[in-house]
Amino acid sequence: QKEVEQDPGPLSVPEGAIVSLNCTYSNSAFQYFMWYRQYSRKGPELLMYTYSSGNKEDGRFTAQVDKSSKYISLFIRDSQPSDSATYLCAMDKGAQKLVFGQGTRLTINP
Amino acid sequence: DTGVSQDPRHKITKRGQNVTFRCDPISEHNRLYWYRQTLGQGPEFLTYFQNEAQLEKSRLLSDRFSAERPKGSFSTLEIQRTEQGDSAMYLCASSLNSGGVTGELFFGEGSRLTVL
Repeated sequence: QKEVEQDPGPLSVPEGAIVSLNCTYSNSAFQYFMWYRQYSRKGPELLMYTYSSGNKEDGRFTAQVDKSSKYISLFIRDSQPSDSATYLCAMDKGAQKLVFGQGTRLTINP
Repeated sequence: DTGVSQDPRHKITKRGQNVTFRCDPISEHNRLYWYRQTLGQGPEFLTYFQNEAQLEKSRLLSDRFSAERPKGSFSTLEIQRTEQGDSAMYLCASSLNSGGVTGELFFGEGSRLTVL
């Protein structure tokens, strides 16, 4: 079993929809949780970084962490075609190496 | 451009040849990481440096792989006697951190390796 599980999709939604992306994890030692966005043939770029359980909002993006359920989510409001990318969750137990999910490929249709 | 830069962006080689990738991190960053990403998968940790010291290597990094970061600046990743299974995107990232937190990693655009 992988330490971090993420549905690879693909996920296709109309422009303006609310998108929900999720990851589950098995290792309770993970303390820091991140979401990265990766466009085709580019490196990942950090979207959200959270430490504690709860919600963190940044513009149209909201990251949610539930440590008791070992479950994290990323919500995208008012989705735009430019949000079309692969979204990767990543987790850190303070060991200087991130563990990534498989990535969810998202397409926003105009 | 003050981001992480990687060179070459794409390398095509024949099985058995050696290849070397270079990474120039963000100048003030003390940590440098190498990850490997295969198609449809998330990046996997290979190794990381704190300044010039290589502090951890994944068991994914066989003895055909070697990484260096002389003088704590740029880094090179060399793969000797390449195999078709080495075909992947090799991502470099850097961060400015101390202590146990990995922190925010800034990734380069990657070096794509194709082994024929």
